[in-house]
Amino acid sequence: DGGITQSPKYLFRKEGQNVTLSCEQNLNHDAMYWYRQDPGQGLRLIYYSQIVNDFQKGDIAEGYSVSREKKESFPLTVTSAQKNPTAFYLCASSIGGVNTGELFFGEGSRLTVL
Amino acid sequence: AQSVTQLGSHVSVSEGALVLLRCNYSSSVPPYLFWYVQYPNQGLQLLLKYTSAATLVKGINGFEAEFKKSETSFHLTKPSAHMSDAAEYFCAVSPSGYSTLTFGKGTMLLVSP
Repeated sequence: DGGITQSPKYLFRKEGQNVTLSCEQNLNHDAMYWYRQDPGQGLRLIYYSQIVNDFQKGDIAEGYSVSREKKESFPLTVTSAQKNPTAFYLCASSIGGVNTGELFFGEGSRLTVL
Repeated sequence: AQSVTQLGSHVSVSEGALVLLRCNYSSSVPPYLFWYVQYPNQGLQLLLKYTSAATLVKGINGFEAEFKKSETSFHLTKPSAHMSDAAEYFCAVSPSGYSTLTFGKGTMLLVSP
């Protein structure tokens, strides 16, 4: 079955450590996204990529980094510069380009900073 | 710039009652509008979308929404709530032709027996 796989599902980190969240898709979608979800805040866009080797900052990119070396993979690194990293992180993909905007989501990764 | 306002962070209904979740948007260009549903500790799933075709849009699980340009609204309805409808619902907007969405803050739907 085609879909988006995020790992790990749960992750604990000590303050000052970087952590990388994995996102893989086999939908052959061009565009991929990372959103952060906090209770009562909805989803906020961190980074997105519409094509391999290219990505753009979203609304809350500070303290995060991404790479897009392969079409199917879009890992997110939460760096020690992110002041409040505890959150639920969602990866999504879409066909990309000029499209209807329909996103397909993974099941999320919950990061807790101890 | 576009934005979405969802009225009510929580909505409670009885099983069998009408479900109405409110969404108002602002967009400088004709919008595409979406409703997504999220069950606990899961990703979001598309319920329905409006992309400038029919103003009344039917989605999965018996949900529908009506685009009203004059009111800048896209409210989600379902005639009869089921226990399985209990989840968080998100309205989202995208300027037509672009791929990034702006989400509302979500409305938690609670269904009581």
